[in-house]
Amino acid sequence: GAVVSQHPSWVICKSGTSVKIECRSLDFQATTMFWYRQFPKQSLMLMATSNEGSKATYEQGVEKDKFLINHASLTLSTLTVTSAHPEDSSFYICSAQGPEADTQYFGPGTRLTVL
Amino acid sequence: GNSVTQMEGPVTLSEEAFLTINCTYTATGYPSLFWYVQYPGEGLQLLLKATKADDKGSNKGFEATYRKETTSFHLEKGSVQVSDSAVYFCALKGTNAGKSTFGDGTTLTVKP
Repeated sequence: GAVVSQHPSWVICKSGTSVKIECRSLDFQATTMFWYRQFPKQSLMLMATSNEGSKATYEQGVEKDKFLINHASLTLSTLTVTSAHPEDSSFYICSAQGPEADTQYFGPGTRLTVL
Repeated sequence: GNSVTQMEGPVTLSEEAFLTINCTYTATGYPSLFWYVQYPGEGLQLLLKATKADDKGSNKGFEATYRKETTSFHLEKGSVQVSDSAVYFCALKGTNAGKSTFGDGTTLTVKP
């Protein structure tokens, strides 16, 4: 089946540093990927839609300059949290639109902790 | 806009009990409907889906039927196991593809 990986699975960083999270579709090409944020015991909050070769579309309230998204190839999208602060600590999950256009395949998530 | 409403949790059941998690939706057109499962510390996994009215999605003993007349997609399992303990998300994707809409999730705990 369609597999999506994320790296790293967890990261701890100091306040003010930047962190890059990678999302890869391993056995299929994904022109569209999605980035979500999930708070404890809550649902997924869509942050942005990433389209290969074009700028990401951010949801209302998400700072595009803080959460930089790059989708440079059909199998890789990256999310960079710039100048991270403790309130950015969260579980970040990516998904890729699979070969069937109505189905998303999710990565395992990245736990970010900002000290 | 589209919306998904899920049965509030948490739900606690004994092993081998019958499970129902209700899900209703609001959408224009004919969306595809999904159930995802999230185990602790992990991302979401697609559990089952249905793409048109009266379709039944099934996987690992779980079932859900796309009911357009009641705009529902309730998840059922006849006999739950401890290993089914997880958070379950109902979701829809509209006819114009693009982003999905998720329910708030329902936490299921199955006790031996």
